[in-house]
Amino acid sequence: QITLKESGPTLVKPTQTLTLTCTFSGFSLTTGGVGVGWIRQPPGKALEWLAVIYWNDDKRYSPSLKSRLTITKDTSKNQVVLTMTHMDPVDTATYYCARSQWIELPDHFAPWGQGTRVTVSS
Amino acid sequence: QSALTQPASVSGSPGQSITISCTGTSSDVGSYNVVSWYQQHPGKAPQLMIYEVTKRPSGVSNRFSGAKSGNTASLTISGLQAEDEADYYCGSYAGRVPFWVFGGGTKLTVL
Repeated sequence: QITLKESGPTLVKPTQTLTLTCTFSGFSLTTGGVGVGWIRQPPGKALEWLAVIYWNDDKRYSPSLKSRLTITKDTSKNQVVLTMTHMDPVDTATYYCARSQWIELPDHFAPWGQGTRVTVSS
Repeated sequence: QSALTQPASVSGSPGQSITISCTGTSSDVGSYNVVSWYQQHPGKAPQLMIYEVTKRPSGVSNRFSGAKSGNTASLTISGLQAEDEADYYCGSYAGRVPFWVFGGGTKLTVL
């Protein structure tokens, strides 16, 4: 059974850096074709893809947020960490991590973690 | 503004069929057969319903089907059931940049 779970602060202040951890089980990030991505969803709004990291350490970022994001993996701990700098109230959202697959091309996200709600406020 | 365009809402009666469209461009949906669809119930995480345009993951009802024509993908739900009421999002690989895009989501109401 594949599971993912996000963890991190529920409240951050504007200008601070957010660090989120995705801890997963049931698969390995050393397996070819496997990746873990981050997606967020502001309250009442649509999904927004943020970043993904693959088994070969290939990292891709949303162009609009690239300057603020860093994604890393720790295969020994089965964890993926996302950092986002210069947090702003508009970054208030539920942040999800999900397994990704690169088959012939970057493919779908499944399964997803339960999500973690992050509020940016002073 | 999302990269892929979906209708904000669709509705149907139990037993009917509905189709949700997902319109992109020749740089994403039109170029790659990796469109996926996600169902999200209120307060829950999204769940994959369709991947690679037409494929259903194990455990997903065969009432859900996907298709693509040109720059537009679609999700059809046949034999609507009350439990299908949810938000639906499409997603697609979009080339080296921007890499991945989601649609704006469609709220399905079962009347």
